[in-house]
Amino acid sequence: QVQLQQSGPGLVKPSQTLSLTCGISGDSVSRNNVAWNWIRHSPSGGLEWLGRTLYRSKWIYDYAASVKGRITINPDTSRNQFSLQLDSVTPEDTAVYYCARSLYGMDVWGQGTTVIVSS
Amino acid sequence: SYELTQPPSVSVSPGQTARITCSGDALAKKYAYWYQKKPGQAPVLVIYEDRKRPSGVPERFSGSSGTMATLTISGAQVEDEADYYCCSTDSSGNPVFGTGTKVTVL
Repeated sequence: QVQLQQSGPGLVKPSQTLSLTCGISGDSVSRNNVAWNWIRHSPSGGLEWLGRTLYRSKWIYDYAASVKGRITINPDTSRNQFSLQLDSVTPEDTAVYYCARSLYGMDVWGQGTTVIVSS
Repeated sequence: SYELTQPPSVSVSPGQTARITCSGDALAKKYAYWYQKKPGQAPVLVIYEDRKRPSGVPERFSGSSGTMATLTISGAQVEDEADYYCCSTDSSGNPVFGTGTKVTVL
C-alpha cells in the first residue's frame, strides 16, 4: 500500500521560501514513468497543479506557468522522497498543499499541509 | 492558458442521478479524470481515463467523454456530497484542473 507523508512548516513570512517534503512508502521516487506532483487548494477555491518530477531514463521537471521561475521540485532518491520549494511567497500563496503520485491519474495523495503566508 | 469549465453547483435528492459536466477545447482528444474533494480531506480519484473506476470507488460513479466529459453519480448518497473537479492535460501535457462543482445531496 503506497502512502505519502508530508512534512514542513505551516507558517512562512512574505518574501521567504516555502519548503515542503513528501516521503514515499510502498513505491519509489525513481520508478520509471511515475510522476510525483505538488498541488494546492487555495481559500478562494479550486485545485491548482503546481508541478511534478518523474524519471524517464533521466529526471524530468514540469512546472505550471503560474509559478514558473519561483518553484523547484527535487527528488531525493537516498531518502525516497521529493520536495517543493516556492520562492518569494506572498499571501496569495496561502493554501493547503498536497503531494500526489500519478500512475493512472493522481491516485495517491498526501495528507495535506496548511501553509499560511503572513508576517 | 487551457481552461476546463464546470457548473458551480449541482443539487439532487438522495437516490437521484447527479451529472457534472466539464468542457474544454481539447477534451475530445485528451483523457479526463475526476476527483472528489471533501472539506478537510485530500482529493480522491473517482474516475480515470474518461470512464475507468479505481478499485474501491462505488459503482454509482461513472464517466463518459466526447466533446465534453461527464461524471454521473447514479443514485446519489448523502456521503457523495462534496466538491468534484475534472482534470485533463494542456498542450504541454501538464495537468489542468477544472473550476470545480459543489454537489449537494438533500
